[in-house]
Amino acid sequence: GAVVSQHPSWVICKSGTSVKIECRSLDFQATTMFWYRQFPKQSLMLMATSNEGSKATYEQGVEKDKFLINHASLTLSTLTVTSAHPEDSSFYICSARGDREKLFFGSGTQLSVL
Amino acid sequence: KNEVEQSPQNLTAQEGEFITINCSYSVGISALHWLQQHPGGGIVSLFMLSSGKKKHGRLIATINIQEKHSSLHITASHPRDSAVYICAVRVEGTSYGKLTFGQGTILTVHP
Repeated sequence: GAVVSQHPSWVICKSGTSVKIECRSLDFQATTMFWYRQFPKQSLMLMATSNEGSKATYEQGVEKDKFLINHASLTLSTLTVTSAHPEDSSFYICSARGDREKLFFGSGTQLSVL
Repeated sequence: KNEVEQSPQNLTAQEGEFITINCSYSVGISALHWLQQHPGGGIVSLFMLSSGKKKHGRLIATINIQEKHSSLHITASHPRDSAVYICAVRVEGTSYGKLTFGQGTILTVHP
């Protein structure tokens, strides 16, 4: 079945550094991928929609200059958290739309900013 | 009040028991997803519903559009079913991946 690979699974970084998270569709093409964030004990929330070959669409309240999304190919979307701060510490997960409107999720990335 | 409410928040069962998790929503939707999130965070999509009922193995999902309610049933539960189950809806008129998530139900099945 369709698989979405996300890495790294976890990352610890110092405040002020940038972190890149990759999301790949392994056996299908994904023109659209989605990035979500989950704070501890809270629901997942959509951050942005990543569109291949065009600019991402960000949800209200999500800073586009802080969370840079690049979707340069049909199988890869990246989320870069720029100048990360402790309040950016969260669980980030991507998903991609496959056949028959199924949604396939990555395994998620736990980001801890010190 | 959240647009998507799940109950119960926590559920403990003995192996073999029949389990029901409920989801109520307050907005018009075009689809409802049931997701399973395991420790470590990975998420698996179990069902996508827009009407009626779907069955996959021991899992059954139903939706009543008029009542804005969906249920996820697990028959003959097993410890490997222990996970967080999340209901998510796609609000009418919104893009495909713009899901509104419930807070999740933590299921623990004891042997």
